[in-house]
Amino acid sequence: NAGVTQTPKFQVLKTGQSMTLQCAQDMNHEYMSWYRQDPGMGLRLIHYSVGAGITDQGEVPNGYNVSRSTTEDFPLRLLSAAPSQTSVYFCASSYWSESTDTQYFGPGTRLTVL
Amino acid sequence: DAKTTQPPSMDCAEGRAANLPCNHSTISGNEYVYWYRQIHSQGPQYIIHGLKNNETNEMASLIITEDRKSSTLILPHATLRDTAVYYCIVRVVSNQGGKLIFGQGTELSVKP
Repeated sequence: NAGVTQTPKFQVLKTGQSMTLQCAQDMNHEYMSWYRQDPGMGLRLIHYSVGAGITDQGEVPNGYNVSRSTTEDFPLRLLSAAPSQTSVYFCASSYWSESTDTQYFGPGTRLTVL
Repeated sequence: DAKTTQPPSMDCAEGRAANLPCNHSTISGNEYVYWYRQIHSQGPQYIIHGLKNNETNEMASLIITEDRKSSTLILPHATLRDTAVYYCIVRVVSNQGGKLIFGQGTELSVKP
């Protein structure tokens, strides 16, 4: 299994540009989520999904859109990038049982908005 | 989810055991203690979790006090590659969203 993959690894945008960060997992996990991590800070939840067709907001959803059309993919869209969105973005997926919902993270996308 | 308190930083000599403490005095009966770590510039990595019994896997051991108000993550033979930020997270296992709330964690430096 490749686990959780993210593309691109690095991206530079100008203010106002749009782009989509890609996330895919091959573990058949129902749950997927997006976090951002600013320099020297912990991770903050942006959006999450408990299954195909179902998404919900996390702590910091403003400026981001998501959709979940398949179990495998969970793209994150920035409609109009702002410098405040400069960050490292991590995607995660997890399975659930009665005693665990361990999350597996991707390698991250480093985004700079000028 | 219950709040956790961890020391901001710790040092450990290579080859020695690293003992990382976590206080979670407001933990509820159905909340688990999870540990993740983040090596510089990489995605967080799951280490171990438990409810009330001590747990051990190939990476670490988790010791939870009898009153469950604190726990200790033990890396038995720390290596330089264990240098990372370690996060203690207390939460209910849920099929409606594994929303991990990351605090500041403990920055562990393993030194030669």
